[in-house]
Amino acid sequence: GENVEQHPSTLSVQEGDSAVIKCTYSDSASNYFPWYKQELGKGPQLIIDIRSNVGEKKDQRIAVTLNKTAKHFSLHITETQPEDSAVYFCAASIGGSARQLTFGSGTQLTVLP
Amino acid sequence: DSGVTQTPKHLITATGQRVTLRCSPRSGDLSVYWYQQSLDQGLQFLIQYYNGEERAKGNILERFSAQQFPDLHSELNLSSLELGDSALYFCASSVVDEANSPLHFGNGTRLTVT
Repeated sequence: GENVEQHPSTLSVQEGDSAVIKCTYSDSASNYFPWYKQELGKGPQLIIDIRSNVGEKKDQRIAVTLNKTAKHFSLHITETQPEDSAVYFCAASIGGSARQLTFGSGTQLTVLP
Repeated sequence: DSGVTQTPKHLITATGQRVTLRCSPRSGDLSVYWYQQSLDQGLQFLIQYYNGEERAKGNILERFSAQQFPDLHSELNLSSLELGDSALYFCASSVVDEANSPLHFGNGTRLTVT
């Protein structure tokens, strides 16, 4: 089955700096890659997603890049703010169906004021 | 707020007992998913229902079962509970079961088995 590895497990940045989280996947058939943000006491919240026919997608301060050849995708957060502090999960899916999502192990991002 | 409602928020029970977790999907969403989140296993897909019918099973134990009712709310039943079942249980919903239908998660039920 699909295996998703996520790095780093913890990341601390100064407010205003950029943060990058990287994920690799094992199954070349995967074609849907969402990112979720989970704040303490809450469920994961979808923040951005990308499909395999696209190499990069941006939404304000958040961007995701996908390298299908290398089977890795990354989340980029620019101009970080304290409210960006949370656990971030990447995921990959075969066929794009949510039921086949495999999640990474998560990255605890801390933005220091 | 995702619009997905889960009750109860916290549940403490003893080994061997049975509990029921409840989920109301977002208005208009037909598909419901259950996930388990534990420290050592991360987010694991358990089971999915679509418009009342079971659509897919993941890493769900035989002691666990679920159903989706005609009003589309879903219940996850956990029986013969063990200490290792302590975890966060999330419900998520989507409009349909297809590629362009993102998942929206509730805030979870924290189950503690003592």
